[in-house]
Amino acid sequence: DIVLTQSPLSLPVTPGEPASISCRSSQSLLHPNGYNSLDWYLQRPGQSPQLLIYLGSNRASGVPDRFSGSGSGTDFTLKISRVEAEDVGIYYCMQSLQTPLFTFGPGTMVDIK
Amino acid sequence: EVQLVQSGAEVKKPGESLKISCEASGYTFTNNWIAWLRQVPGKGLESMGIIHPADSDARYRPAFQGRVTFSVDGSTNTAYLQWNSLKASDTAMFYCARLSGGVSFDIWGQGTMVTVSS
Repeated sequence: DIVLTQSPLSLPVTPGEPASISCRSSQSLLHPNGYNSLDWYLQRPGQSPQLLIYLGSNRASGVPDRFSGSGSGTDFTLKISRVEAEDVGIYYCMQSLQTPLFTFGPGTMVDIK
Repeated sequence: EVQLVQSGAEVKKPGESLKISCEASGYTFTNNWIAWLRQVPGKGLESMGIIHPADSDARYRPAFQGRVTFSVDGSTNTAYLQWNSLKASDTAMFYCARLSGGVSFDIWGQGTMVTVSS
């Protein structure tokens, strides 16, 4: 299986300030079609996960533009330009290169300082 | 509205069987794979496998092969996850999710909590 690591695992944030989460893959997620098979999900407390970013850098429908994804190959980053209180939760990266052996990172818990 | 609605929480004893459901609405059920995912309380997410509603083609993560069975009922737009003999280690929250474009889980069910305890 492809192994994903995330850093940091815990991220206290101040509302209005930027935040950044890193995801690193044990092998390249660059598909021959040129897209990176890496998604970002947010699981708010007590809720199901929701898709934020797909194929490395594409915002899902309804996701605020303060969220952005970047990176290629084995190194990816999720950035929040200005954190809001509703952004607290656990952020997971997930690879979809090896279907159906999707794997998730361990998660980054974001909470308010 | 596109949604997946899962069946309610279950409490079972070791050795019992169980079938939980995931009803799709708001889109053409046979167009997308449905995935099942497990989340042990306080832990991360793990994909169990996928099933295609058009032909019931099911693909399991090796760790779950033989332990669970995926099925679908196209007449009710419902996917199922089944165990024949539960273990205490099966205690977890189970989610179904729609696979979009073969790469992303864009719609999730609300989750079904399964507790297995003697």
